[in-house]
Amino acid sequence: DTAVSQTPKYLVTQMGNDKSIKCEQNLGHDTMYWYKQDSKKFLKIMFSYNNKELIINETVPNRFSPKSPDKAHLNLHINSLELGDSAVYFCASNELAGYQETQYFGPGTRLLVL
Amino acid sequence: DQQVKQNSPSLSVQEGRISILNCDYTNSMFDYFLWYKKYPAEGPTFLISISSIKDKNEDGRFTVFLNKSAKHLSLHIVPSQPGDSAVYFCAASDSGGGADGLTFGKGTHLIIQP
Repeated sequence: DTAVSQTPKYLVTQMGNDKSIKCEQNLGHDTMYWYKQDSKKFLKIMFSYNNKELIINETVPNRFSPKSPDKAHLNLHINSLELGDSAVYFCASNELAGYQETQYFGPGTRLLVL
Repeated sequence: DQQVKQNSPSLSVQEGRISILNCDYTNSMFDYFLWYKKYPAEGPTFLISISSIKDKNEDGRFTVFLNKSAKHLSLHIVPSQPGDSAVYFCAASDSGGGADGLTFGKGTHLIIQP
């Protein structure tokens, strides 16, 4: 019973293609995130959704478009893939209890653009 | 089954004292471990890491200890400062330190009291 799942786990594609990464959480959380991990292991926040509404949209190319059909899903669509998009992308969902925040990470999607 | 566990959801420490955050893992293939720090509404930021060939790594006020036989690592912060109040994530990798993806714990919320 995986809490946060991502598909696919590995994605190898050609430059210029359009691809989607899916994320689902079965925890009932209202908030979900997409992060990009670079080669130095830094995690950069890309988007955050709260109950299907976009609340954080960091400076990412508009080739990246998040879609949240319901609060359990936050998918990431990437148009016209570039070499620099190669990275590991993590989805996460957030539980906020009072002032205590717990974040649950998915297993990551390893994207390689050739 | 969780491969990386942070069993304390929260920890309260007085300013100036030592903060010790613990992390346990089950996968013996993990060979690189990282700690991230996260403030509310921001992405996690990389703090310190350790390779499995070491048992200690120090960077300023932060020291990470690794006990491979116990599959346990800990982050020591001394002296603790108010700005250290955040959520701390333990993460592990089995890719020899490469950026092939990480497995995260759920985080420990550290509260530094004045």
